[in-house]
Amino acid sequence: AAGVIQSPRHLIKEKRETATLKCYPIPRHDTVYWYQQGPGQDPQFLISFYEKMQSDKGSIPDRFSAQQFSDYHSELNMSSLELGDSALYFCASRQASAKNIQYFGAGTRLSVL
Amino acid sequence: GNSVTQMEGPVTLSEEAFLTINCTYTATGYPSLFWYVQYPGEGLQLLLKATKADDKGSNKGFEATYRKETTSFHLEKGSVQVSDSAVYFCALSSGGSNYKLTFGKGTLLTVNP
Repeated sequence: AAGVIQSPRHLIKEKRETATLKCYPIPRHDTVYWYQQGPGQDPQFLISFYEKMQSDKGSIPDRFSAQQFSDYHSELNMSSLELGDSALYFCASRQASAKNIQYFGAGTRLSVL
Repeated sequence: GNSVTQMEGPVTLSEEAFLTINCTYTATGYPSLFWYVQYPGEGLQLLLKATKADDKGSNKGFEATYRKETTSFHLEKGSVQVSDSAVYFCALSSGGSNYKLTFGKGTLLTVNP
């Protein structure tokens, strides 16, 4: 069965650079969530989209932005990167009619040097 | 707001020992409850879930019962294996919060042969 695809799997950037993370949800899933997991931490909700519209926003810095495109894939754009942005970034998708179950991608590990 | 408190580890057990990881929650309304597992270097996998009071979620020998009266969802397994070594996250979601997941801090389980 198709799963949530995230790319790239690993990304190394310098401070003040920009990064773009991509997420391809499971086919027919209309909702995408982004989470950030710092080293040794629990995942923290960043932002979500439903039918290409932002549906909720968590502790996402103003330096970050995201969108969901017509094919339902989503991109998380991160600018002016800081050392503290080094983390594992997860995308999860859900089919709204299935309500409760989110399926996670393998994550993108971002290292800011 | 929603919150999850889970027993922090690390927890170290011998193979075939009994496992309990405690999890309690605070939420408005009637949340769904989840246990996710994260193996080293990997993403989050849904281990089991329960969507209403007294539901029991089970998978791979793991069980957890949704206890509304004690707001708990403790994870148990009768006989752990070395391959169960991972980080376990208790989480909840609710419709009132757009079904985004709120995680506990995670519990590192190490099972020795």
